[in-house]
Amino acid sequence: NAGVTQTPKFRILKIGQSMTLQCTQDMNHNYMYWYRQDPGMGLKLIYYSVGAGITDKGEVPNGYNVSRSTTEDFPLRLELAAPSQTSVYFCASSLSGSPYNEQFFGPGTRLTVL
Amino acid sequence: GESVGLHLPTLSVQEGDNSIINCAYSNSASDYFIWYKQESGKGPQFIIDIRSNMDKRQGQRVTVLLNKTVKHLSLQIAATQPGDSAVYFCAENTGGFKTIFGAGTRLFVKA
Repeated sequence: NAGVTQTPKFRILKIGQSMTLQCTQDMNHNYMYWYRQDPGMGLKLIYYSVGAGITDKGEVPNGYNVSRSTTEDFPLRLELAAPSQTSVYFCASSLSGSPYNEQFFGPGTRLTVL
Repeated sequence: GESVGLHLPTLSVQEGDNSIINCAYSNSASDYFIWYKQESGKGPQFIIDIRSNMDKRQGQRVTVLLNKTVKHLSLQIAATQPGDSAVYFCAENTGGFKTIFGAGTRLFVKA
C-alpha cells in the first residue's frame, strides 16, 4: 500500500491564481482530512470528509473548497490564491472518525503564493 | 481558551541519552492525547497515545506520561538515536474532530 499520496510536492503561485492539491489514499479509509501547517504553528483543520459525497468545514475553511467523489480521492481547491495561503498542506485519512483511530498523513505539499 | 503548547521549542541531546519533550494543555475536558513525530519533508507520524484514564503508557523506547492535575504531557525517548531527530508535537482531543495540535519541539541528536 502506498498509503496517502499528495501531488504536487511543491508549487509557487501568483496572487489570484487557482490550483488543486491532489490527495489519494489506498487504505479504503472513510474519513479524510486537509490540514495546513504554518511555520511555528500546529496543524489547522481546513476541511474533512466522512465518506464519498460528504464534506464539511473545519477550523480554517475560508479560501478553499473540496470535493469527495470517490473514497480514494479528496482534492483541495484554491480559487484565488492569496499570500496568507502560503503554507504546507497535509492530507490525512483514518478508518473512522473516532479520535482513537490513527490518522495517516501524506508527505505534504509546500505552497508559496507570491 | 483551548491551547496545546510546548515548553521548549528546541532540544539537543547526546546520542544514547534519554530525551524528554514536554507539552502543556489547557482544556481539562480533553480525554485523549497523541504524540507525533515529523521528519523533515514528511508528514506527521503517530508515535504513541494515551487516554485520560491513564497516567502512563509505554511503547518501544517511548513513554508518555500524563499529569491531569497540572495539565501536563511528556514524551520520553530512551537511548536517543540519530534517527530520532525530528519535530515532535502533541495533540489533544475532546472527542470527534476537535483535535488541537501543538506547534512542536525540534529534537537534535548529537553523535
